[in-house]
Amino acid sequence: EVQLVESGGGLVQPGRSLRLSCEASGFTFDDHAIHWVRQAPGKGLEWVSGISWNSGIIDYADSVMGRFTISRDNAKNSLYLQMNSLRTEDTALYYCAKDRAAAGGGAFDIWGQGTMVTVSS
Amino acid sequence: DIQMTQSPSSLSASVGDTVIISCQASQDMSDYLNWYHQKPGRAPKLLIFDASKLNTGVPSRFHGSGSGTGFTLTISSLQPEDLGTYYCQQYDSLPLTFGGGTKVEI
Repeated sequence: EVQLVESGGGLVQPGRSLRLSCEASGFTFDDHAIHWVRQAPGKGLEWVSGISWNSGIIDYADSVMGRFTISRDNAKNSLYLQMNSLRTEDTALYYCAKDRAAAGGGAFDIWGQGTMVTVSS
Repeated sequence: DIQMTQSPSSLSASVGDTVIISCQASQDMSDYLNWYHQKPGRAPKLLIFDASKLNTGVPSRFHGSGSGTGFTLTISSLQPEDLGTYYCQQYDSLPLTFGGGTKVEI
């Protein structure tokens, strides 16, 4: 079964850090770009960051640029998101999503169930 | 950044109706557009990619069309399981952006 499983979410104080993980199974992980997409409570979808199959192409939304770092370990079929200097507006359900394309910039055809990040004092 | 504007923001329809959702881009983006469906409490699912191509397993009552700046998702013969929120998403240029969503109530 093709699936993505996120972990690492939780309650954190503003200014602190958190690292999210996403473990993939059921497909050839290093054939695809992977992305992080978030959804604040009751709100729409917001693309956060994406990474190509070989980590050669990486990009971020302006809202997280300089604070978040995306990475992947193809040997472990895993994607990561290091989130530093967290703000209350980063509170959201964070999904990882598989891209149909290797380089990225395509359609997200597989999504995980998400991991919740709550930033609050 | 390319801004994506969906309309309407919500609608109510009956089983068997035809529903049309529009997505307008702030600049020309060829056919680099995807549509997703999100049921309450669930992760989004890809319906249509490249503006008009049906994803595997998606019923044929879903139809995508358009190019340039104007796109449409048509749901023919609406079914109870079609409730939820529909999002368009562009991949013409980074950052990737989503529309604000259209909530469909049955």
